[in-house]
Amino acid sequence: SFELTQPPSVSVSPGQTARITCSGQALPNQFASWYQQKPGQAPVLVIYKDSERPSGIPERFSGSSSGTTVTFTIRGVQAEDEADYYCQSADSTGTMVFGGGTKLTVL
Amino acid sequence: QVQLQESGPGLVKPSETLYLTCAVSGSSITSDYYWGWIRQPPGKGLEWIGTVYHAGTTYYNPSLKNRVTISVDASKKKFSLNLRSTTAADTAVYYCARETGTNLLTRVIDQWGQGTLVTVSS
Repeated sequence: SFELTQPPSVSVSPGQTARITCSGQALPNQFASWYQQKPGQAPVLVIYKDSERPSGIPERFSGSSSGTTVTFTIRGVQAEDEADYYCQSADSTGTMVFGGGTKLTVL
Repeated sequence: QVQLQESGPGLVKPSETLYLTCAVSGSSITSDYYWGWIRQPPGKGLEWIGTVYHAGTTYYNPSLKNRVTISVDASKKKFSLNLRSTTAADTAVYYCARETGTNLLTRVIDQWGQGTLVTVSS
């Protein structure tokens, strides 16, 4: 199968821009999605198909893709955005993989 | 709204089989959705276990496929997870989930159950 690599942690001050990367050799040929998980809660889908935002997700959340790296961006970070974020992708055989997760800390 | 509810034992003895079911409400289980299981060991990341399409086609994590069976019972609007030969490493919160997508490449998880902690211990 394939692997997705994320940085373990990212820190940002309120109002600043947070960027979380996800790297993988398969990403040029596959879509990526992003999930937000707060302590004790199930994950929530925040970005799909690299850059699409589900209804109800704040516009400050966005995604982009370039080659083997996809990036999740939060503009104007708020305290409530502090959470773990996971990238995810699926291949044509049906295998689904999650990245290791990134803990976003709002300073 | 869509609700997914896991149920099953919270404690399993090593070498025994872990069996969980997921009840689906607010969504058709026979529409073009996939139904999956994901787990999360305490303090660790998410791991996809496997997925079943309503017609019965299954997809499994290669690292678990020899021990896993996922099936769907459309008449009861439930799907289930069967994980054999368990060890302490299988201790985790287990989530059932609905996956959506026009094909295998575009699958994403748009609905999650609340999760249930299963501990493997004697």
